[in-house]
Amino acid sequence: NAGVTQTPKFRVLKTGQSMTLLCAQDMNHEYMYWYRQDPGMGLRLIHYSVGEGTTAKGEVPDGYNVSRLKKQNFLLGLESAAPSQTSVYFCASSRLGGSMGGELFFGEGSRLTVL
Amino acid sequence: DQQVKQNSPSLSVQEGRISILNCDYTNSMFDYFLWYKKYPAEGPTFLISISSIKDKNEDGRFTVFLNKSAKHLSLHIVPSQPGDSAVYFCAASGSARQLTFGSGTQLTVLP
Repeated sequence: NAGVTQTPKFRVLKTGQSMTLLCAQDMNHEYMYWYRQDPGMGLRLIHYSVGEGTTAKGEVPDGYNVSRLKKQNFLLGLESAAPSQTSVYFCASSRLGGSMGGELFFGEGSRLTVL
Repeated sequence: DQQVKQNSPSLSVQEGRISILNCDYTNSMFDYFLWYKKYPAEGPTFLISISSIKDKNEDGRFTVFLNKSAKHLSLHIVPSQPGDSAVYFCAASGSARQLTFGSGTQLTVLP
């Protein structure tokens, strides 16, 4: 029972490089989210999806793109990485949206360092 | 402008005593509140939640209290155990279907 799986777990990039973080969930959840965690800032929402083929901006979307081509996968892309994007990224999924009492299930996180 | 605030970055408590973690929010449209626990190198895990129609929810050693007039919620852990040492995040949601998280409180339970 994998739950939410993120790949890769660690990555070091140079400024200007691009990369994609993959999130996969096996719980048939409709909602998926990408958060970043920075010291003293808690978890901030980057982008989210309320279903296959849909995406929406969260609190800090600049510099990121996402796609939800399949219900079980949610991809986070960095087209031109910047040092400010050094962070720990968490993917989450939920059966219901937050306002309907939807508990989020998180992956283990992906630590990204941009030099 | 943080809509969910956890003003105590850290808290230390003796084993067996009560731990009280606090959270304040500014958005009166929030109608559902949750607490998550996070161990190092792991993702956050759901702990307990409360709807705005209630003022208390209890689950074993964990109780969450909601004071809507003060826009304040708290998590009580009693008795505290060393395994409870973790970062605790409070979160709130409203009609936007998003969770807004606080910055977290590191709880250390001393044996």
